[in-house]
Amino acid sequence: NAGVTQTPKFQVLKTGQSMTLQCAQDMNHEYMSWYRQDPGMGLRLIHYSVGAGITDQGEVPNGYNVSRSTTEDFPLRLLSAAPSQTSVYFCASSQGTVSGANVLTFGAGSRLTVL
Amino acid sequence: AQSVAQPEDQVNVAEGNPLTVKCTYSVSGNPYLFWYVQYPNRGLQFLLKYITGDNLVKGSYGFEAEFNKSQTSFHLKKPSALVSDSALYFCAVRDAAGRRALTFGSGTRLQVQP
Repeated sequence: NAGVTQTPKFQVLKTGQSMTLQCAQDMNHEYMSWYRQDPGMGLRLIHYSVGAGITDQGEVPNGYNVSRSTTEDFPLRLLSAAPSQTSVYFCASSQGTVSGANVLTFGAGSRLTVL
Repeated sequence: AQSVAQPEDQVNVAEGNPLTVKCTYSVSGNPYLFWYVQYPNRGLQFLLKYITGDNLVKGSYGFEAEFNKSQTSFHLKKPSALVSDSALYFCAVRDAAGRRALTFGSGTRLQVQP
């Protein structure tokens, strides 16, 4: 099993450019989410989805867009990149919904630098 | 609201000594509590969780955590540290009765010296 696959692993953008971080899971998990990791701030939830066609905002959604057209894929779009979006991004998935005691499976991360 | 605090940015311990990584939480109801570990340039990996029942939870790699409801704490422990335990450790909490996603702490870097 591949688990959660994120691409690309590294990306450098200029301010104002747009891009999409890809996330795919092969575990038939209903719940998928995007976190950003910044030094001293831990992981902060950007957006999440509890199934195909259903998405919701997390703690820091501004500047990001998501969609969930299939169970397997949950791409994160940066519409107009800003230096404040320089971060490491993690996709995570689990069985079940947003609540409960389900264990998250994380991807390896995507390191984004915005100049 | 739910929140979690990891008061130590870094914990240093000698190999073979016991280690403790501290975590305190705040939820309005009963908590679900988790510990995850992140090795360099990797994603987070699940270590253990508390749902209900026995206050001492055993997890992967010899780690355990003690749930203390009165002190709202969930400290991670290991009797004898290994150099390979050096990593970034995250505590996380979710209100058992709520519908909010998991909230993570800021992380504690564990350095085990040989």
